[in-house]
Amino acid sequence: NAGVTQTPKFQVLKTGQSMTLQCAQDMNHEYMSWYRQDPGMGLRLIHYSVGAGITDQGEVPNGYNVSRSTTEDFPLRLLSAAPSQTSVYFCASSSGQGSGNTIYFGEGSWLTVV
Amino acid sequence: GENVEQHPSTLSVQEGDSAVIKCTYSDSASNYFPWYKQELGKGPQLIIDIRSNVGEKKDQRIAVTLNKTAKHFSLHITETQPEDSAVYFCAAAVTGFQKLVFGTGTRLLVSP
Repeated sequence: NAGVTQTPKFQVLKTGQSMTLQCAQDMNHEYMSWYRQDPGMGLRLIHYSVGAGITDQGEVPNGYNVSRSTTEDFPLRLLSAAPSQTSVYFCASSSGQGSGNTIYFGEGSWLTVV
Repeated sequence: GENVEQHPSTLSVQEGDSAVIKCTYSDSASNYFPWYKQELGKGPQLIIDIRSNVGEKKDQRIAVTLNKTAKHFSLHITETQPEDSAVYFCAAAVTGFQKLVFGTGTRLLVSP
């Protein structure tokens, strides 16, 4: 049981480059989301999805795009990387309200923008 | 929107002592309050959660209490062990929306 899988684990980007952080879950969860974690600020929600084909913005969506073409996958795209996007990114999933809202996190993706 | 404050930011205890971490929230609509433990280089792991229809929940050495009137909830760890050392985060959410708002974390250090 893999749970929530994120790739890559580490990435260094140059300012202006684009990239995609991958997230996949094998629990058939409807809800998926992306958070970023910065020192002293806890985790902040970037984008989330309540099901395939449905996405919405979280607290800090600027500079990021998401799509949800399948239930399993929820990639996060950085359109033009900036140093302010240096952070640790976590993908999360849950099965939704009916089964108690337990939200599972992946292991994280460390991104450095230089 | 929701705002969650967490205290203390660091907590040092001796092995066997109890540890208490407190959080307050601002949105009275929040009804789901999980606690996560994060070890170095890992993602947050759910350790216990509580919903607004109960005031206390316990799981072995870990307990969470919720005071809806005062809008605060607390994590209690008894008989602490060195392996409890980690960063602990509280969070709040409205059931069904899956949008967690996190506190800023508490670094717990348990000394042998």
